[in-house]
Amino acid sequence: AQSVTQLGSHVSVSEGALVLLRCNYSSSVPPYLFWYVQYPNQGLQLLLKYTSAATLVKGINGFEAEFKKSETSFHLTKPSAHMSDAAEYFCAVTSSGGSYIPTFGRGTSLIVHP
Amino acid sequence: EAQVTQNPRYLITVTGKKLTVTCSQNMNHEYMSWYRQDPGLGLRQIYYSMNVEVTDKGDVPEGYKVSRKEKRNFPLILESPSPNQTSLYFCASSVGFTGELFFGEGSRLTVL
Repeated sequence: AQSVTQLGSHVSVSEGALVLLRCNYSSSVPPYLFWYVQYPNQGLQLLLKYTSAATLVKGINGFEAEFKKSETSFHLTKPSAHMSDAAEYFCAVTSSGGSYIPTFGRGTSLIVHP
Repeated sequence: EAQVTQNPRYLITVTGKKLTVTCSQNMNHEYMSWYRQDPGLGLRQIYYSMNVEVTDKGDVPEGYKVSRKEKRNFPLILESPSPNQTSLYFCASSVGFTGELFFGEGSRLTVL
């Protein structure tokens, strides 16, 4: 079984501040982890993914995430927030056990203040 | 251009009137899936398909049907819609469990 917990349904930051969105997962086998972003009135698009290569994964728009097995975490960060980063962010996990069924977290809404 | 296309994008209907939301992908993906998105609940999987003629229930399948007669198409059928099926629906496809999901732009359904 696998699950994802995103801490905080809303995160508010000032423009230029560090962005940190938290994701913890549980999986009985090595996981594959993803962050997706959803801009208003759009579908989700992939930000970055971890598939057992480098533990620090760089994605689009300056985002990165670090896979920490000991903490079962895959937190998303960006050094300096931009107004255009305001969106809903979803963490997702699938397992290498053969299931094609990804599990999504409930999402975190990022609010960026000028 | 690689894409997942859903139609209609917006629909208002009445209780009990059968409707179909179409989904088509042009990436030759084997895996396709339907999700519904509701405030505070995130994305919940309705049905998924691992290949042609292979479908299975997700977390919230009640009140929905699907079919996968062709690799590119995966329609979602609401035989008798009810107000609790008012939601934002997304179709997605993927090459496999290590691959990213490609999402359609969503279909906002209102059942009165």
